[in-house]
Amino acid sequence: QKEVEQNSGPLSVPEGAIASLNCTYSDRGSQSFFWYRQYSGKSPELIMSIYSNGDKEDGRFTAQLNKASQYVSLLIRDSQPSDSATYLCAVEDSSYKLIFGSGTRLLVRP
Amino acid sequence: GAGVSQTPSNKVTEKGKYVELRCDPISGHTALYWYRQSLGQGPEFLIYFQGTGAADDSGLPNDRFFAVRPEGSVSTLKIQRTERGDSAVYLCASSLATGGAGGYTFGSGTRLTVV
Repeated sequence: QKEVEQNSGPLSVPEGAIASLNCTYSDRGSQSFFWYRQYSGKSPELIMSIYSNGDKEDGRFTAQLNKASQYVSLLIRDSQPSDSATYLCAVEDSSYKLIFGSGTRLLVRP
Repeated sequence: GAGVSQTPSNKVTEKGKYVELRCDPISGHTALYWYRQSLGQGPEFLIYFQGTGAADDSGLPNDRFFAVRPEGSVSTLKIQRTERGDSAVYLCASSLATGGAGGYTFGSGTRLTVV
């Protein structure tokens, strides 16, 4: 059973702080990794993708990948109340479909 | 269309009834995916199509669930003899190519309630 694990949270951070969201996965053959943001009652929205070990930055978001440790993370700098949402980690499996974690709920306190 | 369109947005049905959920993907997207999301959980894979054929239906929970995509565009998820445990948000997503390369674009979902 391929698994993607996330801490359900909530992770509470003050406005302006760095939020760090983590994800581990079980399928060592996975090559593509994604972070989705989901606001309450809405559908998931893609915010980051990463395919190679290391860091990938896009604005206030940085995705980090360590395939040896089977670990993916998302850093959100200068967190804003509008970043409050559930963040879903997704991993592409060998049959080219995405397996999602259960999500981490982030609360940014004004 | 500009985005992935799902209809209806909400569906309430009685236990034992048959329901159809429709997904209209982004024009030109060859891959189409169905997921189911229960409260507090991440999306759970059901089935995906590459063109008209089901490339992977390993997530369909049982033979009450069936999906088609006869012309390689619109897809319909069909659930027979609905049960209360089928209540969830059913999400459809599409992508330009197989797999998550570039990521999926999700529709707004159909909230199914079986009473």
